Amino acid sequence: DVVMTQSPLSLTVTLGQPASISCRSSHRLVFSDGNTYLNWFHQRPGQSPRRLIYKVSERDSGVPDRFSGSGSATDFTLKISRVEAEDVGLYFCMQGTQWPWTFGQGTKVEIK
Amino acid sequence: EVQLVESGGGLVQPGGSLRLSCAASGFSFSSGHPMHWVRQAPGRGLESVAAISGDGSATYYADSVKGRFIISRDNSKNTLYLQMGSLRTEDMGLYYCARESPPGGTDYWGQGNRVTVSS
Repeated sequence: DVVMTQSPLSLTVTLGQPASISCRSSHRLVFSDGNTYLNWFHQRPGQSPRRLIYKVSERDSGVPDRFSGSGSATDFTLKISRVEAEDVGLYFCMQGTQWPWTFGQGTKVEIK
Repeated sequence: EVQLVESGGGLVQPGGSLRLSCAASGFSFSSGHPMHWVRQAPGRGLESVAAISGDGSATYYADSVKGRFIISRDNSKNTLYLQMGSLRTEDMGLYYCARESPPGGTDYWGQGNRVTVSS
């Protein structure tokens, strides 16, 4: 299985400041069709995960543009340009290139 | 509005069976979206359990549930199922159904359904 490793596992950020989460995969995530199926999710306590980013850098509908995704092959990053109070919670990366799809351990984001 | 509503979870003894359902609405369920079951357990994170193609002809399972769980769908009823058998304590958790769109990712998730395996 593809192992997804996130860092850091916990992040405390000041409101209005940037935040960055790294996700590394044990295998290259480029699919045979040339696409890289790397997704980012946000989960608030008691809620279902909400996808923010798909195919490395494509933002889902309704996702604020302060969220951005980048990376290639095995190294990926989610950036929040200016953290807002509603951004607290868990962030997960997930690869959809190889079955079984696998998730990172999650990064807990809190506000300082 | 896309909605996925799970049901069927609950308490079951080890070795027992349970069937989860996921009622889909707000989109054309039969149009070809693959569907997924994902579970979340404390200390184990998120885990893909099973997936099924849009027409139901292809199914995929995590090794941990292969031979014990069966994923299926009834496109005439807009419903996804997960038949779980020979349940173990390590199967406990919150089970989500999710829609795959576009390929390689899941854009909508249900609210989750809790499965507890205990004697």
